[in-house]
Amino acid sequence: DGGITQSPKYLFRKEGQNVTLSCEQNLNHDAMYWYRQDPGQGLRLIYYSQIVNDFQKGDIAEGYSVSREKKESFPLTVTSAQKNPTAFYLCASTRFPTGQGAPGELFFGEGSRLTVL
Amino acid sequence: SQQGEEDPQALSIQEGENATMNCSYKTSINNLQWYRQNSGRGLVHLILIRSNEREKHSGRLRVTLDTSKKSSSLLITASRAADTASYFCATDSTGYSTLTFGKGTMLLVSP
Repeated sequence: DGGITQSPKYLFRKEGQNVTLSCEQNLNHDAMYWYRQDPGQGLRLIYYSQIVNDFQKGDIAEGYSVSREKKESFPLTVTSAQKNPTAFYLCASTRFPTGQGAPGELFFGEGSRLTVL
Repeated sequence: SQQGEEDPQALSIQEGENATMNCSYKTSINNLQWYRQNSGRGLVHLILIRSNEREKHSGRLRVTLDTSKKSSSLLITASRAADTASYFCATDSTGYSTLTFGKGTMLLVSP
């Protein structure tokens, strides 16, 4: 079945370590997104990519990095420069663009919960 | 960024009652979408309403959009315990290729 797979589901990191969250989709979607979710704050955009080998910063990109070498894959690295990385991370994708040039329905993965020890 | 705001933050009702959630936003939009999130899970798309539409239905869901007031409402009729979840509105706007999400309404439906 088509969908988005995020791994790992739970991840623990020591301070000073970089960690990479995986996001893979087999929906043949062009655009992919990374959001961060903290309790009571909704979703905030970290990075997004509309085509392979291109990506843009979102609202809270500092301390994060991404790559888009393949259409199916959009991994997120949480670097040691991210001051408060404990959060729930959500990856999403959509076929882009719609007739209006705006994103259509987003398909989300099940999330990765990162905890800094 | 032009974040939407849901109201109320939390809503508790009995099974069979209707649930209404509201969303307000700040800038002109192309589309407004509603999503649902069960605790600890990813978001699931419920419905998309375009800026030139005023009302849209999908099963027990009814969404309205008032662009003059920059607001939308989501009505869930005849709620069930399985409707317990957080509900988010998401907006785009001209020139932006991303969605901005509100903080969500947490709905609790008691049997």
